[in-house]
Amino acid sequence: EAEVAQSPRYKITEKSQAVAFWCDPISGHATLYWYRQILGQGPELLVQFQDESVVDDSQLPKDRFSAERLKGVDSTLKIQPAELGDSAMYLCASSWAGRADTQYFGPGTRLTVL
Amino acid sequence: GEDVEQSLFLSVREGDSSVINCTYTDSSSTYLYWYKQEPGAGLQLLTYIFSNMDMKQDQRLTVLLNKKDKHLSLRIADTQTGDSAIYFCAESIESNYQLIWGAGTKLIIKP
Repeated sequence: EAEVAQSPRYKITEKSQAVAFWCDPISGHATLYWYRQILGQGPELLVQFQDESVVDDSQLPKDRFSAERLKGVDSTLKIQPAELGDSAMYLCASSWAGRADTQYFGPGTRLTVL
Repeated sequence: GEDVEQSLFLSVREGDSSVINCTYTDSSSTYLYWYKQEPGAGLQLLTYIFSNMDMKQDQRLTVLLNKKDKHLSLRIADTQTGDSAIYFCAESIESNYQLIWGAGTKLIIKP
């Protein structure tokens, strides 16, 4: 069964450092989402891509966060500089374009900022 | 704005049925979803229901949808220790294919 891949699974960094997360969606899925999940809460959408284009990044803190999906396949989410409050689980999800609201999630990256 | 609400905890005995409830506000939702999250893991799609249906059954899982009251429930029959997890309810927004999420219900299994 096809899965969404994410790496790394865990990342520990010091504040003010740069971090990057990678996501490879299920083959053929045109829509890709990055979420942040704080412990005890539901996921919060950071950015939504349709192919290589950003559809919605209204909740992305653009002063420190950036996301790209250059060839419309895999994607990278970057934080620079990391702050203590960025400690969270970062989840990637993908879906078909024609049925875009059925989202399949990767295992996530647990970020700890010290 | 749109909102999804769930109770935070549910405790059941092993072998009993679990019923997790959810209320939502957007009457134009097309699909409603249940996801399961085990500790430290990503979100696993459990099941979903189209908004013009009122029930869906899949093995031990039964989803009931009351569109008039905007109420969704997930029943897990014969609850096992492996069902311990947080269960998230989510509704879709037709206009942009985004999901509105509840805060999750932690299911606790008592022996």
